[in-house]
Amino acid sequence: DIQMTQSPSSLSASVGDRVTITCRASQSLSQSFRSYLNWYQQTPGKAPKLLIYAASNLQNGVPPRFSGSGSGTDFTLTISSLQPEDSATYYCQQSYSTPYTFGRGTNLEIK
Amino acid sequence: QVQLVESGGGVVQPGKSLRLSCAASGFTFSSYSLHWVRQAPGKGLEWVALISYDGGNEYYADSVKGRFTISRDSSKNTLYLQMNSLRTEDTAVYYCVRNSGYDLGDALDIWGQGTMVTVSS
Repeated sequence: DIQMTQSPSSLSASVGDRVTITCRASQSLSQSFRSYLNWYQQTPGKAPKLLIYAASNLQNGVPPRFSGSGSGTDFTLTISSLQPEDSATYYCQQSYSTPYTFGRGTNLEIK
Repeated sequence: QVQLVESGGGVVQPGKSLRLSCAASGFTFSSYSLHWVRQAPGKGLEWVALISYDGGNEYYADSVKGRFTISRDSSKNTLYLQMNSLRTEDTAVYYCVRNSGYDLGDALDIWGQGTMVTVSS
């Protein structure tokens, strides 16, 4: 099974800050110029929401302050200018092979 | 409107069975693979099972293999999860999730609202 290591597990930042969350896979998630790494946002009591697919592609309707990058085993989610509504837990997930494993999540708090 | 609506959750004793359903609407059901993902109270997300768009292939997490069965009925646009020999550690919110497809990196793009399963004596 592919293990997903996400860091940090929690962070606190202010409105307007640039925030970066990292995710490392135990093996490469890249094949044929595509990386099978996705990012999700979950607020309390709600279902997760897809933010970024294939490492760097913004899902329809997601604000452009969110971006993803990386390839191989190392990936990042960046929020360029943090907004109050970005307070949530963020998960990375690999869709390279089953079982489709998730990172343990990053709890983002707004100061 | 693309939508997934789960039902069938509840409280069940250890060792018993439960079947979850997920009604899909707003998209061509038979064109998409579908997953079940669960989340124990206060914990992270755990992938449970996947069924291919045509029902021909099924995949399971080791934690549920041999106890849970994923299936689908295209005539009813419905996904199922048959859960047998339930354990206390199966207590979680269960989400029905659509696979976006190869062109979008097989991401989990549409999520239901979830249904709670509590396994307790």
